Amino acid sequence: AQTVTQSQPEMSVQEAETVTLSCTYDTSESDYYLFWYKQPPSRQMILVIRQEAYKQQNATENRFSVNFQKAAKSFSLKISDSQLGDAAMYFCAYHSNSGYALNFGKGTSLLVTP
Amino acid sequence: NAGVMQNPRHLVRRRGQEARLRCSPMKGHSHVYWYRQLPEEGLKFMVYLQKENIIDESGMPKERFSAEFPKEGPSILRIQQVVRGDSAAYFCASSPPDRDQPQHFGDGTRLSIL
Repeated sequence: AQTVTQSQPEMSVQEAETVTLSCTYDTSESDYYLFWYKQPPSRQMILVIRQEAYKQQNATENRFSVNFQKAAKSFSLKISDSQLGDAAMYFCAYHSNSGYALNFGKGTSLLVTP
Repeated sequence: NAGVMQNPRHLVRRRGQEARLRCSPMKGHSHVYWYRQLPEEGLKFMVYLQKENIIDESGMPKERFSAEFPKEGPSILRIQQVVRGDSAAYFCASSPPDRDQPQHFGDGTRLSIL
C-alpha cells in the first residue's frame, strides 16, 4: 500500500517570505502522480499543483513550485511571496498510474503572519 | 462551467436515521469518487464509480454504507442507521475518463450526528 507522510503538522511564514512544506511517500510503482491540495477554513479542496512522476522537470504554478526528488520519494511544495490568503491546510496526495484513489497525507497547517 | 456540486452543505441526523449525500460531477466528467475526512485528518478514499457501475469500493465500511451513480441524476452516498462515529466531512470528486486528468472536488457535506 502507498503511504504519504507530511512530517510538519504546522508551519508559519511571514507575509512576502518563502516557505517549504515537506512530503514523502512510499511506493513500489514507477509511474504515478503527485498533488498538493489546499484546504482553507471554508473547507473546500483546491488543487494547487500536480506532478507526473515520469517528468523530470519540477512543476510550477505562479508562486507555487515543487521540488520532486523521485529517488528520495520526496515531493515538497515551495510557496514564494507568501500572502495572507495562502493560510490553509495543505495536503500532499498520490495516486499510481494504474489506480485512481488519491492517498492523502495528514496535512500541514500553514499560518501566514503580517 | 459549474464545478462539482454537493448537497446539502450541512446535514444533521439523529442516531439511527438515514443520511443521503448527493454529488453532481462537473460537466463532461463521468467518474465520481467519494472521500471521508474525519476531524484533524486527511481525506480517506471510500468508493469510485462510473455511470451505473461501482468500480472500487475498497474504502467503504462493510455495513450501512452504499453508493450509486445512476444513468440519470447525481451520485448518492447513503448511510443507514447513522452512529456518532459517522460524523465527518464527506467530499465528492469527479474526473474525465483520462487517467492523467486530476480530480476536482466539491465543497463537501458536513454530516453531524446528534
